[in-house]
Amino acid sequence: GEDVEQSLFLSVREGDSSVINCTYTDSSSTYLYWYKQEPGAGLQLLTYIFSNMDMKQDQRLTVLLNKKDKHLSLRIADTQTGDSAIYFCAELDNFNKFYFGSGTKLNVKP
Amino acid sequence: GAVVSQHPSWVICKSGTSVKIECRSLDFQATTMFWYRQFPKQSLMLMATSNEGSKATYEQGVEKDKFLINHASLTLSTLTVTSAHPEDSSFYICSAREVWARATEAFFGQGTRLTVV
Repeated sequence: GEDVEQSLFLSVREGDSSVINCTYTDSSSTYLYWYKQEPGAGLQLLTYIFSNMDMKQDQRLTVLLNKKDKHLSLRIADTQTGDSAIYFCAELDNFNKFYFGSGTKLNVKP
Repeated sequence: GAVVSQHPSWVICKSGTSVKIECRSLDFQATTMFWYRQFPKQSLMLMATSNEGSKATYEQGVEKDKFLINHASLTLSTLTVTSAHPEDSSFYICSAREVWARATEAFFGQGTRLTVV
């Protein structure tokens, strides 16, 4: 499979912005995704970006894609305690298979 | 968004027994379903791709005879862990893609936590 890497932990204070980073190796990825997983639960799709875009904004979420560097980031504005979860980035390859990063555990302190 | 339901949410079984996990698309038809396994504090690893009416395609290193996948209808895929052992304990998640949908539209179930004792 493809390699998708993320930092393991991020801790921020409530109200601050959070930025979660991801790097991937497959230059032919068509779509890149961000999923949220709360303890013991499945995956919730947060947002996705097509590979020919460099930015997508959806309410508090901003996705930035640097295709040259194969770098994807998720910015959460005004982070709340309810945002505490594990965030996975994932890429979709040409065979319609998802490859996930290791997940970044976001801890939001009140 | 579309709903994918897994059953059971959690199961405890004795070593040597078999366990069946169901993945259903509740409000859409899915030609393709994917099965993932997640170890504690680790990412999801794709186990197999399940296509309705045909044999599943397994990823390298996944034992076909141990993890039996059946996708008998457009709304149901099952994963059977045969002769389960404690090392099979894990969190299993399925995802489903609607017929004719764009590749982006894959929805995930809530997962099944399997504990083998």
